[in-house]
Amino acid sequence: GAVVSQHPSRVICKSGTSVKIECRSLDFQATTMFWYRQFPKKSLMLMATSNEGSKATYEQGVEKDKFLINHASLTLSTLTVTSAHPEDSSFYICSARFSGQGYEQYFGPGTRLTVT
Amino acid sequence: DAKTTQPPSMDCAEGRAANLPCNHSTISGNEYVYWYRQIHSQGPQYIIHGLKNNETNEMASLIITEDRKSSTLILPHATLRDTAVYYCIVRAQFGNEKLTFGTGTRLTIIP
Repeated sequence: GAVVSQHPSRVICKSGTSVKIECRSLDFQATTMFWYRQFPKKSLMLMATSNEGSKATYEQGVEKDKFLINHASLTLSTLTVTSAHPEDSSFYICSARFSGQGYEQYFGPGTRLTVT
Repeated sequence: DAKTTQPPSMDCAEGRAANLPCNHSTISGNEYVYWYRQIHSQGPQYIIHGLKNNETNEMASLIITEDRKSSTLILPHATLRDTAVYYCIVRAQFGNEKLTFGTGTRLTIIP
């Protein structure tokens, strides 16, 4: 099956700093990648959708200048949380989709961000 | 707007079949029913999807009612590793439709 990886799996950063999370599709080319955020005991909330080579489309209420998304290649997307604050602490999950068969979405293992 | 309705939680004895219901009374003709699950602190895992026919794979079976307004995910022989939150999602298969997660059903397998 299709495999999506994320790096790092866990990260702790200080308030005010920026942190980058990478999402890679390992065995397929992802025409579209999605970034979700999940707070404890809550469901996944879609943050943004990115197509390779295009600007990301952000969901309502998500600050595009704070959550920078780059999808420069068909196998890599990055999410940079800029000027992180403790309220940004969350579980960030990426998902990749390819158009080869049924537009299925495959999810990464997630990145636990803690801002101190 | 919630497109699906699921019970918040269910228990099932280990070794028994787990039957997880989902209501999707407003499903459109071009929308599929997808099931994903999320084990604690992991990303969601695809289980199965279907349009109108019943589907089976190595993980589970999906039973969709004839009117397509509800479906049931069946895990035939539940194990402790099946403890997870199960999400039922309706989505058109093609185009730029996004997967939107509801609150799901927290399934606990009891030894």
